[in-house]
Amino acid sequence: GAGVSQSPSNKVTEKGKDVELRCDPISGHTALYWYRQSLGQGLEFLIYFQGNSAPDKSGLPSDRFSAERTGGSVSTLTIQRTQQEDSAVYLCASSSQRRDYEQYFGPGTRLTVT
Amino acid sequence: AQSVTQLDSHVSVSEGTPVLLRCNYSSSYSPSLFWYVQHPNKGLQLLLKYTSAATLVKGINGFEAEFKKSETSFHLTKPSAHMSDAAEYFCVVSASHNNDMRFGAGTRLTVKP
Repeated sequence: GAGVSQSPSNKVTEKGKDVELRCDPISGHTALYWYRQSLGQGLEFLIYFQGNSAPDKSGLPSDRFSAERTGGSVSTLTIQRTQQEDSAVYLCASSSQRRDYEQYFGPGTRLTVT
Repeated sequence: AQSVTQLDSHVSVSEGTPVLLRCNYSSSYSPSLFWYVQHPNKGLQLLLKYTSAATLVKGINGFEAEFKKSETSFHLTKPSAHMSDAAEYFCVVSASHNNDMRFGAGTRLTVKP
């Protein structure tokens, strides 16, 4: 079956522009996660959704970051007024209680802010 | 709330020698625990998971981990390292009653010939 997909795979944007990153989770997975991985760093938790609600937004680095999920499926991570320090790989994962919450990761979106 | 601490940011072993990557967790509920591996320029791959069944869990590529509640640990081991094991390893904890999962900071494993 289809895995987690993310788009775009690569995004180059100018400082100050807004970007939208998309995640399509595995069908039926109720939980969806966003992480950020900077060059040579570990995973930084950003936000997770249970259905359409986000019980924990504590990882969002600033108010320039926001995320939404509609219909319990697709999620969009938006970064407003991008800064160079936003450059990273943004990873999305989804999980299901039926699979003991094992996270399935997408390939990531590599964001470069110039 | 739950959290996980990986005690070593970098571990270096010689090929053919044992591997030990340490992980301690904190959880208010019965945890599920996972180890993920990330090879350079590759995606994250699940190595193994503990979900309240057997405390000794066997995973792919000869790795295994033992859940020790008294020590709140879930260390990852392998009897004999291979060059292809060089990668970043992440320990993950999840409360069993919900989907809130937290990653450790990662341990970079280097394997010397």
